[in-house]
Amino acid sequence: DTAVSQTPKYLVTQMGNDKSIKCEQNLGHDTMYWYKQDSKKFLKIMFSYNNKELIINETVPNRFSPKSPDKAHLNLHINSLELGDSAVYFCASSRRSGRQETQYFGPGTRLLVL
Amino acid sequence: LAKTTQPISMDSYEGQEVNITCSHNNIATNDYITWYQQFPSQGPRFIIQGYKTKVTNEVASLFIPADRKSSTLSLPRVSLSDTAVYYCLVGPLTSGNTGKLIFGQGTTLQVKP
Repeated sequence: DTAVSQTPKYLVTQMGNDKSIKCEQNLGHDTMYWYKQDSKKFLKIMFSYNNKELIINETVPNRFSPKSPDKAHLNLHINSLELGDSAVYFCASSRRSGRQETQYFGPGTRLLVL
Repeated sequence: LAKTTQPISMDSYEGQEVNITCSHNNIATNDYITWYQQFPSQGPRFIIQGYKTKVTNEVASLFIPADRKSSTLSLPRVSLSDTAVYYCLVGPLTSGNTGKLIFGQGTTLQVKP
């Protein structure tokens, strides 16, 4: 069973379009994240969502908005897509056990904006 | 914010021990150090996490000196399947501290036969 799943796996779209990426975790975790990985393999955290509290990385444009219908889902909506949005987007969830916190990542969504 | 620096790439041979060092000069008192492994077309996978001294699990060891300004991931007897990108992450454990979780650029480890 997949722990963290994302759909779609690939997304090709035109500039200016609005798109959404879905994420679901079946691990019962309280915190979920969205990351962006660019062509140089840098992983940058975009958002985290913990018990209905959204924490935003201030460097993320407001065209990006996370939506969480319930604790197991954190979807990413992107308005007015730009060429620079092309990247791999990873969803993750985490649990804390004592003094250790482990993040579990999804397989990624490869977004290409033309 | 703690910024991390890692070597961009490393080569090794099967059966050797590999040590990858991450520098984090501005690490904060409540920051932990976590290492992740990423294979092509997959999401990162947790390897090990520590705060100070030495941590060991079934796949790796993590060495953290007293000043905590660097850490070294040690992979014993690597195999071809250990070829991957390894990321050092520094940040507080408290869930949801967005913006305070900084991944390094990653070290691409190539294991040769």
